[in-house]
Amino acid sequence: QQQVKQSPQSLIVQKGGIPIINCAYENTAFDYFPWYQQFPGKGPALLIAIRPDVSEKKEGRFTISFNKSAKQFSLHIMDSQPGDSATYFCAASSEGAGSYQLTFGKGTKLSVIP
Amino acid sequence: AAGVIQSPRHLIKEKRETATLKCYPIPRHDTVYWYQQGPGQDPQFLISFYEKMQSDKGSIPDRFSAQQFSDYHSELNMSSLELGDSALYFCASSLVRGGYEQYFGPGTRLTVT
Repeated sequence: QQQVKQSPQSLIVQKGGIPIINCAYENTAFDYFPWYQQFPGKGPALLIAIRPDVSEKKEGRFTISFNKSAKQFSLHIMDSQPGDSATYFCAASSEGAGSYQLTFGKGTKLSVIP
Repeated sequence: AAGVIQSPRHLIKEKRETATLKCYPIPRHDTVYWYQQGPGQDPQFLISFYEKMQSDKGSIPDRFSAQQFSDYHSELNMSSLELGDSALYFCASSLVRGGYEQYFGPGTRLTVT
């Protein structure tokens, strides 16, 4: 059973567009939600993370929106560029329960067309 | 800034052989995590260590073992390798008192033939 469900599986946008990637979770013990960017053959790179006490967080062109009641969170990439083409993973962990292992979504392959 | 170092970057082994993967965390980080990522898959948590003690265990096969040493580097030992063990193996490190953010290394690509 996938504890973190991510959609869409793939996404194609024009340069300057705003791709949106969505994730949903079931485990209410999750209390830390990071997003990672991964290029082929490379390690995942931490982009931005959020905790349930805030509904939105922005860092540069990346924004996380968090809806605790719906158990959903999403990543928005403003003014997307071809260099943003990568696979994006949402993840979750239960820091409050002392378990810091990350549970990942299945990933979204983003292609930004010039 | 210093990052997580993994060695070797590529490893080719035959079935039933053993392999040892090494991870050097970011300086002053006290926690190390190991993840396995199959082709086109998401990373799967294997095991973690905090202050040299095992802190969490995921879907790690009994054929695998790991430890964290006094200098905080970690090694993942894999025995009786199977074709299905072919994957990217990532190490990540974090500083517990620093907010738990996990930073991943470049990975070791293991190919079992």
